[in-house]
Amino acid sequence: EPEVTQTPSHQVTQMGQEVILRCVPISNHLYFYWYRQILGQKVEFLVSFYNNEISEKSEIFDDQFSVERPDGSNFTLKIRSTKLEDSAMYFCASSGTEQFFGPGTRLTVL
Amino acid sequence: AQSVTQPDIHITVSEGASLELRCNYSYGATPYLFWYVQSPGQGLQLLLKYFSGDTLVQGIKGFEAEFKRSQSSFNLRKPSVHWSDAAEYFCAESIQGAQKLVFGQGTRLTINP
Repeated sequence: EPEVTQTPSHQVTQMGQEVILRCVPISNHLYFYWYRQILGQKVEFLVSFYNNEISEKSEIFDDQFSVERPDGSNFTLKIRSTKLEDSAMYFCASSGTEQFFGPGTRLTVL
Repeated sequence: AQSVTQPDIHITVSEGASLELRCNYSYGATPYLFWYVQSPGQGLQLLLKYFSGDTLVQGIKGFEAEFKRSQSSFNLRKPSVHWSDAAEYFCAESIQGAQKLVFGQGTRLTINP
């Protein structure tokens, strides 16, 4: 069964450092998403991506964030200068008619 | 703005008992509705979805949900829970199938033996 994969499973970084979270969506899906879940809170939408451009982004997705599909398989989320409040679980998803989620990357900013 | 409300933060039921988790959505037209389950430290697994048609939808693991437009609700049910059902359950909606999901706060389900 096809699945969304994410690497790394856990990333620890120092405040101010850049991080790149990686995702491999399901191969025939055309829509890609990033969500985050701060510990104990609900899952929040960050950004959606279609046809090699951002189709929608939330208020959370400010200039510190960027997404890219550098090749035919990977979908990345970059945080340029991490803050303590960026600590969260980050989920990648891809969809045809319904969204399938990856297992998440736990980002810890110290 | 879209919003999804799950009124119950935490529910405890006994193994073998029936379960109903409540969800209310805000989108006025026909939304796309979903229930996801998240086990501790895991990702989100889709239990079931409603796009149109029959208002009672069947999902995986013996779950079902009923769409009630008059009540703006999409409650999740299971006739007999198992200890392995202990998890966090999230209701979500989107305006179209491929649009962003808006999630509720989640309901944490605890199963008593």
